[in-house]
Amino acid sequence: DVKVTQSSRYLVKRTGEKVFLECVQDMDHENMFWYRQDPGLGLRLIYFSYDVKMKEKGDIPEGYSVSREKKERFSLILESASTNQTSMYLCASSTRTGTTEQYFGPGTRLTVT
Amino acid sequence: DQQVKQNSPSLSVQEGRISILNCDYTNSMFDYFLWYKKYPAEGPTFLISISSIKDKNEDGRFTVFLNKSAKHLSLHIVPSQPGDSAVYFCAASGNQFYFGTGTSLTVIP
Repeated sequence: DVKVTQSSRYLVKRTGEKVFLECVQDMDHENMFWYRQDPGLGLRLIYFSYDVKMKEKGDIPEGYSVSREKKERFSLILESASTNQTSMYLCASSTRTGTTEQYFGPGTRLTVT
Repeated sequence: DQQVKQNSPSLSVQEGRISILNCDYTNSMFDYFLWYKKYPAEGPTFLISISSIKDKNEDGRFTVFLNKSAKHLSLHIVPSQPGDSAVYFCAASGNQFYFGTGTSLTVIP
């Protein structure tokens, strides 16, 4: 059974803080993704990675960075959190081909005050 | 610019009846389409998919239809059950996955 875990379910941070969201998958998947989900906007891709130390920008990378030092771990970093980054953050993984589904973690609800 | 659109934010259906969720896309290069189901406070889970070379895929109570000329896909759930109440996202695969905005389905007992 594929498992994608995220370090926190709920997180409250202050404006300007540096925030780390961690994601770990146990299925040896090549691809990993970070999305944010907002009402009326669906899931929007922030960054994805198709290999260790590789990263690609998604649709909304501004204000975020990522790190993938190990195959199973993909971190999302908010360099200086702002209130408009309050959102549900979802991590996902998949095998390399484009015709397989993504497996999602439970999400992290981040509130920036 | 939304490449995958779900124009109905919500849908209510009586238990036992058919639920039809719709999705439109703009990019004819998409070659794989998926539906995900999401309960509150959980991540989306994969439901069913279809390749662009097919026009129908069925899995139990769930059937996905693809109309490439109209750039439209739909998910049919028959019969609908209260446990199907969730948000449904359609997604399309190109160089990355593109998700729609979701449709909240409520199945009324």
